[in-house]
Amino acid sequence: DVKVTQSSRYLVKRTGEKVFLECVQDMDHENMFWYRQDPGLGLRLIYFSYDVKMKEKGDIPEGYSVSREKKERFSLILESASTNQTSMYLCASRSGGAVYEQYFGPGTRLTVT
Amino acid sequence: TQLLEQSPQFLSIQEGENLTVYCNSSSVFSSLQWYRQEPGEGPVLLVTVVTGGEVKKLKRLTFQFGDARKDSSLHITAAQPGDTGLYLCAGVSTGGSTLGRLYFGRGTQLTVWP
Repeated sequence: DVKVTQSSRYLVKRTGEKVFLECVQDMDHENMFWYRQDPGLGLRLIYFSYDVKMKEKGDIPEGYSVSREKKERFSLILESASTNQTSMYLCASRSGGAVYEQYFGPGTRLTVT
Repeated sequence: TQLLEQSPQFLSIQEGENLTVYCNSSSVFSSLQWYRQEPGEGPVLLVTVVTGGEVKKLKRLTFQFGDARKDSSLHITAAQPGDTGLYLCAGVSTGGSTLGRLYFGRGTQLTVWP
């Protein structure tokens, strides 16, 4: 059974803190994605990676960075958390080729106070 | 950039009723996916439609891809409380530097009351 896991389900951080969100997939997928989900706005792509050490900006990369040192792990970093980064963060992965189904993790609900 | 307009945003109906959710765009997609998300979980793929005019059925759910591959609909017949959830459409980009990227609609929150 395919699985994408995220390090925390709930996280509370203070403004200015550095925040790490971790995502691990066990499907040997080449592609991994970070989205944020806000009510009424749907899923917005922050960053994605199509290979180890490769990364591409999505639609809303400002204030975020990513790291992909190993194929199975994709980390999202908030260098200096701000209250407007309070959101649900979803990680996803998919295989290469022409199959575009994405498998999502359960999400991390981050609150920045 | 919100390429997909999904409507309605909220839908609250009684068990047994029928409903349709729409997903529209001015852009052409190589395929279109529908996901369902339950509280506290990530979205899970329901179906992918690929060919213009394609219709797929999943029990009481019927998915249609527009002839021009710009729009799609999800129709649920005789809705049940177990259908409650957030339904998301996602267009798969046709090519270039964005090949394979998903562009999501804002979602339709469906509540089915017993």
